[in-house]
Amino acid sequence: AQSVTQLGSHVSVSEGALVLLRCNYSSSVPPYLFWYVQYPNQGLQLLLKYTSAATLVKGINGFEAEFKKSETSFHLTKPSAHMSDAAEYFCAVSALFSGGYNKLIFGAGTRLAVHP
Amino acid sequence: NAGVTQTPKFQVLKTGQSMTLQCAQDMNHNSMYWYRQDPGMGLRLIYYSASEGTTDKGEVPNGYNVSRLNKREFSLRLESAAPSQTSVYFCASTQRGGSDTQYFGPGTRLTVL
Repeated sequence: AQSVTQLGSHVSVSEGALVLLRCNYSSSVPPYLFWYVQYPNQGLQLLLKYTSAATLVKGINGFEAEFKKSETSFHLTKPSAHMSDAAEYFCAVSALFSGGYNKLIFGAGTRLAVHP
Repeated sequence: NAGVTQTPKFQVLKTGQSMTLQCAQDMNHNSMYWYRQDPGMGLRLIYYSASEGTTDKGEVPNGYNVSRLNKREFSLRLESAAPSQTSVYFCASTQRGGSDTQYFGPGTRLTVL
């Protein structure tokens, strides 16, 4: 069965510092992996996704993530944090339902705080 | 192109009351989903509809029912609300699944007293 673990429910960085949000997955088949961002009182918005085309995936707002099969990881990074990056971030894996359809399994989320 | 819309945005119910959360998408997507979001638990799937005319249970279906009214609309009904159903509810849609992106609505914040 597929699952996702996000290490650290809260991460705090200074403006301009490196952002690193950790995600490890468990999957018995090659996974599709996603990072979503949720700003306060809003829905989820796709940041980037891994679909096996390339291991380093670039997303919106300067974020990127690297798929590492040997470590079963898909960590999210941004070289320089901006105040506007403060939000909650969710890692998700696409899992196959019985019946042949897919669903997303989400991690618990990491709340990113950026301070001046 | 509004994407995924949800109504209402906020709702307060008393225990035992019923209500229906509405969701519509204008992207001609086949699959639609209802999630609930609770602190520290991420999003959990309540029900989904892989295509028009089909619905199926997710991880936490108890206390809920759904209707896929047509390709655009997917509603979630609470027949007898309980305080444990206090949550934020999100509707999402996607073309099919797999590597396809799920698009989310803005959410409904429900409080059951």
